[in-house]
Amino acid sequence: GESVGLHLPTLSVQEGDNSIINCAYSNSASDYFIWYKQESGKGPQFIIDIRSNMDKRQGQRVTVLLNKTVKHLSLQIAATQPGDSAVYFCAETLNQGGKLIFGQGTELSVKP
Amino acid sequence: KAGVTQTPRYLIKTRGQQVTLSCSPISGHRSVSWYQQTPGQGLQFLFEYFSETQRNKGNFPGRFSGRQFSNSRSEMNVSTLELGDSALYLCASSLEDGYTFGSGTRLTVV
Repeated sequence: GESVGLHLPTLSVQEGDNSIINCAYSNSASDYFIWYKQESGKGPQFIIDIRSNMDKRQGQRVTVLLNKTVKHLSLQIAATQPGDSAVYFCAETLNQGGKLIFGQGTELSVKP
Repeated sequence: KAGVTQTPRYLIKTRGQQVTLSCSPISGHRSVSWYQQTPGQGLQFLFEYFSETQRNKGNFPGRFSGRQFSNSRSEMNVSTLELGDSALYLCASSLEDGYTFGSGTRLTVV
């Protein structure tokens, strides 16, 4: 397979702090990127996306940054809440044939 | 509007058996893709269907197959089940961007 999921990195933050989750993507030709949140027992939930012709995109409490030079994607969550605790995945695609390539995921733990 | 529906939610099968999983996409979505999620390998792409045609395929053995019907509903089949096929199988539907996932089918092979 093309997604390697080994030991899951963990980020632990205090409620109210900002969180930054990082992702290194694999294909310099990828032109569309998505961040997903997955809670236990559920499927991945869409958070925010960005196209390769953009460097930054903002949503409600979330911002995605794309650095194509170093193939790096980050997700910033403002004022992190306990409900944000989950595993976060980045995904990349050439937008061809629905083939998403996922990163290994980062587990976010929010301490009240 | 209704989301992506996967059935069944849970399955227990015996090694050597076969299994069929179902996915109903969001109304109007013509693309359905399938993923396998395991703790060791993460989320891996299986295949994608668009308008009843397989458009892309991942690196899985031929025991894994799928199809899509004219109403865009999709099924995936795994034959000759192995213990290593135990996983959460997810499908996602898409109109253009922003793939929406279902809750998955948890398959356990014993």
